[in-house]
Parts: sequence; C-alpha cells; structure tokens
Amino acid sequence: EAQVTQNPRYLITVTGKKLTVTCSQNMNHEYMSWYRQDPGLGLRQIYYSMNVEVTDKGDVPEGYKVSRKEKRNFPLILESPSPNQTSLYFCASSPRLAGGSYEQYFGPGTRLTVT
Amino acid sequence: DAKTTQPNSMESNEEEPVHLPCNHSTISGTDYIHWYRQLPSQGPEYVIHGLTSNVNNRMASLAIAEDRKSSTLILHRATLRDAAVYYCILNPGNDYKLSFGAGTTVTVRA
Repeated sequence: EAQVTQNPRYLITVTGKKLTVTCSQNMNHEYMSWYRQDPGLGLRQIYYSMNVEVTDKGDVPEGYKVSRKEKRNFPLILESPSPNQTSLYFCASSPRLAGGSYEQYFGPGTRLTVT
Repeated sequence: DAKTTQPNSMESNEEEPVHLPCNHSTISGTDYIHWYRQLPSQGPEYVIHGLTSNVNNRMASLAIAEDRKSSTLILHRATLRDAAVYYCILNPGNDYKLSFGAGTTVTVRA
C-alpha cells in the first residue's frame, strides 16, 4: 500500500531534550516536506526537500533541522525543543511535477507536546 | 501567492449533493486549483485539481468558472465520511508548495 508513515504518532517531551520525528514514504517520491498545524494558523510548511541531499526552508524553519540522506526518509529534528513547538506535525511526499499534474500524500501526523 | 476565499462552514444532509465555493479573483494564468480535505484526526488528503476545464474523479467534481476567478467543488452524494475541512489551494505548476488557508468545515447530517 502506498503510504507515508510517521513515528512516533504521539510524543510528550521536556524543553531542551533533542528529538527526531521520522518520516518514510514507499512511493519513490522525490519531493518531501514537513508541515505543522496549529489552531487558528492552519498548516504551515517547515522544510522541504526536492531530492536526496537537497533541502530548503519553508515558512517557519526556526528551531528545526532536516536531512535527506535517502530518498524514502525525511526526518525532522528538534535539537532543543521549546513549548512553542507544541503542535501537530505532518510529513508529505509528492512525485515529480509533470505539467502541474500531481498530488501530495500526507502522513497521519505526529502530535508533539513540549513541557 | 494568490489567495482563495471560502465560507467558514457548510452543512448538508446525507446523500444530498454539496457545492463548496471558492473565490480566487487574483488567480494567474499558470495557477492550478487544488482541493484537499482533512478528516478529523487525519492528515490532509488530495481530492481533485484542475486548470481550466471541469474535472471529475471518483471522489468529486470540480467546476471552474470561465474566467477562472472562482470554482466549485461538488460532492455528488454526501456521506458521513465526507465530514471534513475542505481546502481550496492555488498552486503554480512549477511549485510543489501548498499554502493552506482556513478551509470550509463541512458537516453532514444523518
């Protein structure tokens, strides 16, 4: 089954304790990205990757890191989490654009609470 | 980025059609109109997209105005499973990024 998986689905942590949220897709997609969703602010893009070893900042990259060493994986790293990073996080992937015809596949989400 | 305007919420009865409007008066000639939906406690899900012509797929239909300044997502027979937030998004064909607005919350009454 074609899917985007995220782990963990739920995480409660403390301020300053480094954490990684994993994202993996089995569709051989080149493009992957991370979003966060907050009440009243909607979904905002954090980072994205056009291909292996190619990453770039989205709208709200502060406090986050990413890496793309393999095509299928795109982990989100919080080196020193803070309470304002409490949010619902989504990973997404998409095949290469072909004349504007594409769709993004989203993971199930990771609910992170930083105390 | 060109913006879209959607109603905050809509209600429908089960098995009746739902017409979700979206205004995008500043759309450019290369912007595609995408629709995604987000069911409760799930990630967004692709519904449909189009450029100029009306589009149909197994989930919905997309009717695009001739001047492309508005569009309508049509769910032909709403089911309880269609209760979700529906997002209308404009996207240039050469950009993967999706800019989500507030969307329309659709409630389906049994």
